[in-house]
Amino acid sequence: GQQVMQIPQYQHVQEGEDFTTYCNSSTTLSNIQWYKQRPGGHPVFLIQLVKSGEVKKQKRLTFQFGEAKKNSSLHITATQTTDVGTYFCAGGGGGTSYGKLTFGQGTILTVHP
Amino acid sequence: DTGVSQNPRHKITKRGQNVTFRCDPISEHNRLYWYRQTLGQGPEFLTYFQNEAQLEKSRLLSDRFSAERPKGSFSTLEIQRTEQGDSAMYLCASSPHQGIYGYTFGSGTRLTVV
Repeated sequence: GQQVMQIPQYQHVQEGEDFTTYCNSSTTLSNIQWYKQRPGGHPVFLIQLVKSGEVKKQKRLTFQFGEAKKNSSLHITATQTTDVGTYFCAGGGGGTSYGKLTFGQGTILTVHP
Repeated sequence: DTGVSQNPRHKITKRGQNVTFRCDPISEHNRLYWYRQTLGQGPEFLTYFQNEAQLEKSRLLSDRFSAERPKGSFSTLEIQRTEQGDSAMYLCASSPHQGIYGYTFGSGTRLTVV
């Protein structure tokens, strides 16, 4: 079945440093989505990418979808303490699994003030 | 609608007992999903519905797990003969039917099997 892998598992940064997490799928994806989960909370939708090579920005966050639609990245510029949490990518399959997402194991971001 | 609602928030049960969780999705969302999350892991797919139809069920799910969405609105997830390995956060999410949309997750039900 479809597998989605994320690296790194943990990232500790000083406030103001940049952060990047990478996501790779074993199969071509119909779309990729990113979620953020604060400690003790539930995943919250950030963005979805659909097109090959797509790049989207949300303030300090930049999301990319690979040309082959099998990998993605999230980059945060100048991290803040409010960025703390776990960032998950989630890949959408095709066919009957079109609406179903397979989540990666997440990258836990810690920001030291 | 204020979002996806899940009840109860916490459930402690003895091994071998049956438990049932409820999820009320956002009313205009046709799709409803159940995921399970353990500490340090991403949400793991269990099953999903489009209206009242259960479209897919994880092959990892044993026959002890069953889910229903009888009228295409709320859903229930039942676990029979609970085992300690069932201890996890059970997350429900919903999304609109058409196109590709992000999920809206509920706050989850944390199950502890003792």
